[in-house]
Amino acid sequence: EIVMTQSPVTLSVSPGERATLSCRASQSLSSNLAWYQQKPGQAPSLLIHDASTRATGIPARFSGSGSGTEFTLTISSLQSEDFAVYYCQQYNNWPRTFGQGTKVEIK
Amino acid sequence: EVQLVESGGGLVLPGGSLRLSCAASGFTFSSYEMNWVRQAPGKGLEWISYISRYGSTIYYADSVRGRFTISRDNAENSLYLQMNSLGAEDTAIYYCARDSLSWELDYWGQGTLVTVSS
Repeated sequence: EIVMTQSPVTLSVSPGERATLSCRASQSLSSNLAWYQQKPGQAPSLLIHDASTRATGIPARFSGSGSGTEFTLTISSLQSEDFAVYYCQQYNNWPRTFGQGTKVEIK
Repeated sequence: EVQLVESGGGLVLPGGSLRLSCAASGFTFSSYEMNWVRQAPGKGLEWISYISRYGSTIYYADSVRGRFTISRDNAENSLYLQMNSLGAEDTAIYYCARDSLSWELDYWGQGTLVTVSS
């Protein structure tokens, strides 16, 4: 099973600042990685797939990068609606596995 | 508009069974693979099962293999999860999620809560 490790666990950021979230895989994924956003009381929603492709309707302030085992989600200028938990997930191998999540909170 | 609506959750005794359903609309259900993902209270996401478009390929997480059965009815645009031998560790919100054509989970339902407790 591929283990996904996200860091940090919690990220405190002021509105308008940049946030950088990391995701590391225990083995190579090529680019088969997605990022999801989950707000309190809501289902997760897709942000990024194939490591760097924004899903439909996702603002350009969200960007993904990386390949192999190291991946990054960057939010260039945090808006109030971006404070949430973010998960990475690999779909290169079965079972599909998620990271434990990074909570982005208001500083 | 793509919609996935789960139902069937509730309170069940340890050792009991429950069947979850996911009603799909707004897309050609038979053209997409489907998944179940769960989230224990206050915890992260756990993928638990996948089914291919016509049910010929199925995968389970180790945590549920042998106890849970995924199935689908393309004529009814519905996905199912039969859960047996439930334990406290199965308490979670259960989401159905659609596989996009490039394998990420592009649409999710709102979830249904399963509580296993005596």
